[in-house]
Amino acid sequence: DTGVSQDPRHKITKRGQNVTFRCDPISEHNRLYWYRQTLGQGPEFLTYFQNEAQLEKSRLLSDRFSAERPKGSFSTLEIQRTEQGDSAMYLCASNIGTGGLETQYFGPGTRLLVL
Amino acid sequence: LAKTTQPISMDSYEGQEVNITCSHNNIATNDYITWYQQFPSQGPRFIIQGYKTKVTNEVASLFIPADRKSSTLSLPRVSLSDTAVYYCLVEGGFKTIFGAGTRLFVKA
Repeated sequence: DTGVSQDPRHKITKRGQNVTFRCDPISEHNRLYWYRQTLGQGPEFLTYFQNEAQLEKSRLLSDRFSAERPKGSFSTLEIQRTEQGDSAMYLCASNIGTGGLETQYFGPGTRLLVL
Repeated sequence: LAKTTQPISMDSYEGQEVNITCSHNNIATNDYITWYQQFPSQGPRFIIQGYKTKVTNEVASLFIPADRKSSTLSLPRVSLSDTAVYYCLVEGGFKTIFGAGTRLFVKA
């Protein structure tokens, strides 16, 4: 399967713990996006990368959240000192990123539950 | 980015044509209209995109009037497997803003 993959698919953690999620985009895609989706709502943009550069961060991304894409391939999203309000589906998407409007290809998501 | 408004939910029966209308009154000149489909526990999947008039692909048609302030996604002859959430987006660049979407329930 050459689509976007995310790991883990599910994560249960206790409040205050740190968690890290991984996203592997489609191999030739330069742009990578992170979204958060809560029940009954559409995905909310968190941040995006052009290659290894993080070009925009939403105000939703508090200082407890950090994302990296060190070699311009896979990306990680870390949440420190998790809170119950962080419980959500975290989605990753990618596209080629040559400029202009391009369809984003989404992964299956990581569902986080903070107890 | 322009805000979109679409019905919260719709019901249909197998074999019927379903039309979901989306309002985007503040659409900008360089914005495109894109529709995504999302099944439970999966990421959204691109369905169709258009700028004006009509676009058709193997799964849907998209109708956009001349003023571009609304658009209609048309799904011909839906089946049970088309039960999903459908998102209308107005996109002008890299950033994608999703609304709450329309929950389509297809009944047998």
